[in-house]
Amino acid sequence: NAGVTQTPKFQVLKTGQSMTLQCAQDMNHEYMSWYRQDPGMGLRLIHYSVGAGITDQGEVPNGYNVSRSTTEDFPLRLLSAAPSQTSVYFCASSSDARTYEQYFGPGTRLTVT
Amino acid sequence: KNQVEQSPQSLIILEGKNCTLQCNYTVSPFSNLRWYKQDTGRGPVSLTIMTFSENTKSNGRYTATLDADTKQSSLHITASQLSDSASYICVVSPSGGSYIPTFGRGTSLIVHP
Repeated sequence: NAGVTQTPKFQVLKTGQSMTLQCAQDMNHEYMSWYRQDPGMGLRLIHYSVGAGITDQGEVPNGYNVSRSTTEDFPLRLLSAAPSQTSVYFCASSSDARTYEQYFGPGTRLTVT
Repeated sequence: KNQVEQSPQSLIILEGKNCTLQCNYTVSPFSNLRWYKQDTGRGPVSLTIMTFSENTKSNGRYTATLDADTKQSSLHITASQLSDSASYICVVSPSGGSYIPTFGRGTSLIVHP
């Protein structure tokens, strides 16, 4: 079991560029989510999915898109990168949205210049 | 607005000593409270999950307590080790229609030899 994997580990973008952060899990978890972690702040939920074909917005969804075509994959797309999106991004998965342990990926450190 | 406040912000202790971290929350209605350990440069790892009806949960040297009446939780670390140096994050999930958890900012623990 690889658990939750994220690629890339590091990325530098110029303002206005777009890119996709990849997330995959091999635990057959229905629930997947994306968070961002900024210095001095708690993790904040960007988008989440309770199953293939179902996505919803979290606390800070603006500037990001997601899709969930398979149970395993949950990519996060930045449409037009802004310096305010400089952050560390974590993907997580669990069997259930509320009651089960969440497994986090290793994170992607994104810098937008 | 749902809030999770953790204290202290940072803590330095000597190896072998015990310590207690605090978490106060305003999330209501409440589904569960989780404690995570996050090593530098890594994703959070779950330590304990407690539901409304549980008031204590242990995981090795980590013991979490919950008082749902006062909306307080604590994480007690016994016989600390150098590997306990990390950020400890309290997360509270609501019940009802929302899947959006509220994360605390974390307590940074440093264990010195």
